[in-house]
Amino acid sequence: NAGVTQTPKFRVLKTGQSMTLLCAQDMNHEYMYWYRQDPGMGLRLIHYSVGEGTTAKGEVPDGYNVSRLKKQNFLLGLESAAPSQTSVYFCASSYSSAEGRRRSNQPQHFGDGTRLSIL
Amino acid sequence: QQQVKQSPQSLIVQKGGISIINCAYENTAFDYFPWYQQFPGKGPALLIAIRPDVSEKKEGRFTISFNKSAKQFSLHIMDSQPGDSATYFCAASRQGGSEKLVFGKGTKLTVNP
Repeated sequence: NAGVTQTPKFRVLKTGQSMTLLCAQDMNHEYMYWYRQDPGMGLRLIHYSVGEGTTAKGEVPDGYNVSRLKKQNFLLGLESAAPSQTSVYFCASSYSSAEGRRRSNQPQHFGDGTRLSIL
Repeated sequence: QQQVKQSPQSLIVQKGGISIINCAYENTAFDYFPWYQQFPGKGPALLIAIRPDVSEKKEGRFTISFNKSAKQFSLHIMDSQPGDSATYFCAASRQGGSEKLVFGKGTKLTVNP
């Protein structure tokens, strides 16, 4: 049981290059999230998904795209990388109670991050 | 607009002392307040969480105090240990929907031996 796995762990890109960060979870969680963490800024939500085939914008979505074709995977794409996107990216997943019952917040489980540098 | 304000930014405590981190929120619709702990090179992990129907929750050496009228909540770490040295984030969310978390900016805690 690996939990949330992020690949790659490190990457260096040149400005203008594109890449995709992969997040995989094996807990059958419905919800998945992508955050970026910058010094002194905490964690800021980029995009999130409440189920397979659905995605939505978070607090800082510009310059990023996401896809959730399978329930266990959530991909974060950078089409044209910029130095301002140098950051540590974290993926998280969570389960939420089924509709019809009292919903209860479930903890978000985080991966160990992808450290991305853009030159 | 920062919805969750966390202080202090950094904190140094001696072993055995009490560490206190404070957070304030603005959105009265928030109804879930977790604290996450993050060690270097790792992702954040849930430490303890509270809902506004209680004023305090304790788990071992960790206690959350919640003041609904002041829209504030705090984390107290009793008998702080060097192993507690980490970055702590408070967060808030609304029940239902996507349950997105809004995080504070974090507090780097150093516990000296």
